[in-house]
Amino acid sequence: AQSVTQLDSQVPVFEEAPVELRCNYSSSVSVYLFWYVQYPNQGLQLLLKYLSGSTLVESINGFEAEFNKSQTSFHLRKPSVHISDTAEYFCAVTPRGAGSYQLTFGKGTKLSVIP
Amino acid sequence: DGGITQSPKYLFRKEGQNVTLSCEQNLNHDAMYWYRQDPGQGLRLIYYSQIVNDFQKGDIAEGYSVSREKKESFPLTVTSAQKNPTAFYLCASSIGGRNTEAFFGQGTRLTVV
Repeated sequence: AQSVTQLDSQVPVFEEAPVELRCNYSSSVSVYLFWYVQYPNQGLQLLLKYLSGSTLVESINGFEAEFNKSQTSFHLRKPSVHISDTAEYFCAVTPRGAGSYQLTFGKGTKLSVIP
Repeated sequence: DGGITQSPKYLFRKEGQNVTLSCEQNLNHDAMYWYRQDPGQGLRLIYYSQIVNDFQKGDIAEGYSVSREKKESFPLTVTSAQKNPTAFYLCASSIGGRNTEAFFGQGTRLTVV
């Protein structure tokens, strides 16, 4: 079984400041890792994913996440946040080679960008 | 545009009544899922279906039922046996296979009064 821990339930940050949303996971097998974003009263959208290869993955809107196998972490970072980044962010894992039905989500981190 | 449509967006029901939430996808995905989201709880899997006419219980299936008669449709019924049905319900789909991402609908907020 897998588990995901998002260490901060809420993160307030000023506009144009950097931000890091932390995610640690536990698994007895190799995993794929995902970050999803949810805007208020909407569904989840995939932000980025790590399947294999380079441990640093990037999204089209400036977020990046780095897979650290030794620390079992997949922290999400952005060097300069915008008001529009205000949302809830979910980290998720699934066993390598498994289907999406085995996705395990963290409890989410609410990012609030302050003007 | 391809996507997942959940309806209605908001739903109110009296306690003790069954209610069915609709989920339709035109992505030609084989697999579909239902999640429940409560504040501070993340997402929890209710049911999933990998092919038509087959579905499996997730982590919190008690008090819920589903059907998968068509590839495009995966309705969820919240029965009167569900002790605390008020929540945000999310439907998702994926191509299937080994490493595909899940695509989510916009959700249905169910309030039982």
